[in-house]
Amino acid sequence: QSVLTQPPSVSAAPGQKVTISCSGSSSNIEINHVSWYQHLPGTAPKLLIYENDKRPSGIPDRFSGSKSGTSATLGITGLQTGDEADFYCGTWDSSLSTGVFGGGTKLTVL
Amino acid sequence: EVQLVESGGGLVQPGGSLRLSCSASGFTFRSYAMHWVRQAPGKGLEYVSSVRSDGASTYYPDSVKGRFTISRDNSKNMVHLQMSGLRPEDTAVYYCVKGGRYSSDCLDYWGQGTLVTVSS
Repeated sequence: QSVLTQPPSVSAAPGQKVTISCSGSSSNIEINHVSWYQHLPGTAPKLLIYENDKRPSGIPDRFSGSKSGTSATLGITGLQTGDEADFYCGTWDSSLSTGVFGGGTKLTVL
Repeated sequence: EVQLVESGGGLVQPGGSLRLSCSASGFTFRSYAMHWVRQAPGKGLEYVSSVRSDGASTYYPDSVKGRFTISRDNSKNMVHLQMSGLRPEDTAVYYCVKGGRYSSDCLDYWGQGTLVTVSS
């Protein structure tokens, strides 16, 4: 079982908005920054969001992140079929002294 | 341009050993933490090991602690993962990943991955 909890799947129509939740605890999300990654099968994962809500250069502002307490959320607006992928939240767990990921959420753009 | 190129993957029998290597370029290697992350077939991402920029501290999840050892050579811009006591559940694509200044920072660049298969 993953230390961070994500919904297994989410779906929405093109052009719509979707949010993906990531639930953790006082030893990880509450006290460390959260990152989000997009992973297409057969390719290297890509960093989408770092330090809870910052976007690396080249990531469109359709992608956003937020954090509150022991939970974090990834938001994607203006959905495109090319957004279909697996999305993972990640952070450091200060009790385990290792990085941790959520189990991943598969996004389907209907 | 940041580049991370893994090598050393392959087929190994249960109980065997394997050494993965990652050659890094395009950034000041000695200034950043490095990580290995894996994805088993049909599963999610899992941190396998992390090493501080100076190599003085290493981190492992319980699933590999005592069996895997991460090391780095800052003079050659290389990071290695020595794996021993391999189990079928270690079968996965292993990614070499660049971290931030601290081991707890985000993972901003990923290699293409190398496949490790543990099977008799």
